[in-house]
Amino acid sequence: EAGVAQSPRYKIIEKRQSVAFWCNPISGHATLYWYQQILGQGPKLLIQFQNNGVVDDSQLPKDRFSAERLKGVDSTLKIQPAKLEDSAVYLCASGSIAGGAYNEQFFGPGTRLTVL
Amino acid sequence: AQKITQTQPGMFVQEKEAVTLDCTYDTSDQSYGLFWYKQPSSGEMIFLIYQGSYDEQNATEGRYSLNFQKARKSANLVISASQLGDSAMYFCAMRATNTGNQFYFGTGTSLTVIP
Repeated sequence: EAGVAQSPRYKIIEKRQSVAFWCNPISGHATLYWYQQILGQGPKLLIQFQNNGVVDDSQLPKDRFSAERLKGVDSTLKIQPAKLEDSAVYLCASGSIAGGAYNEQFFGPGTRLTVL
Repeated sequence: AQKITQTQPGMFVQEKEAVTLDCTYDTSDQSYGLFWYKQPSSGEMIFLIYQGSYDEQNATEGRYSLNFQKARKSANLVISASQLGDSAMYFCAMRATNTGNQFYFGTGTSLTVIP
């Protein structure tokens, strides 16, 4: 079974530029998460999708961040314009909705963003 | 509000020894799950072990076991017979069914296994 795919793996941009990240979840997983992980911290949820609907985006800085999952499969996360403090690893995870409280997330390899 | 606390920024353990990584949590939900993830330097988050709030027995997965003390709201990870490949960041996480199944992560513990 293929895992969660993310691209690119690394990205370096200058502040005020735009950037987009792509995620393809495990086949059949209805739930998709985007996390931001700043160096030395735990992952922070940015947005959670179930199928193509948003479940939680309360911590997404909506003035500069946007995300979509149009067909309920793959997803893109965009930052426009980027700031220095956006330098982080962006992790995508997916999971099934079965199982109640037990619903393991499967993580992708992450995209390491450096904003200069 | 849900909260996960990991108070050990860094830990060292001798190879082949056991080590305990601490995790406490705070939630008002009755139904929740506790997870431990390993993050090596490559960056990927690897699922290790799960404990449900209604599980009466502590979870075990190979060399990993979870010391679940519900009344104290703690879910410590025990790694037995440490190996050099265990050197990584370890994150405790919680998921509560009444809060949209969102995961809350702690700040992590960096484990270094010494040969």
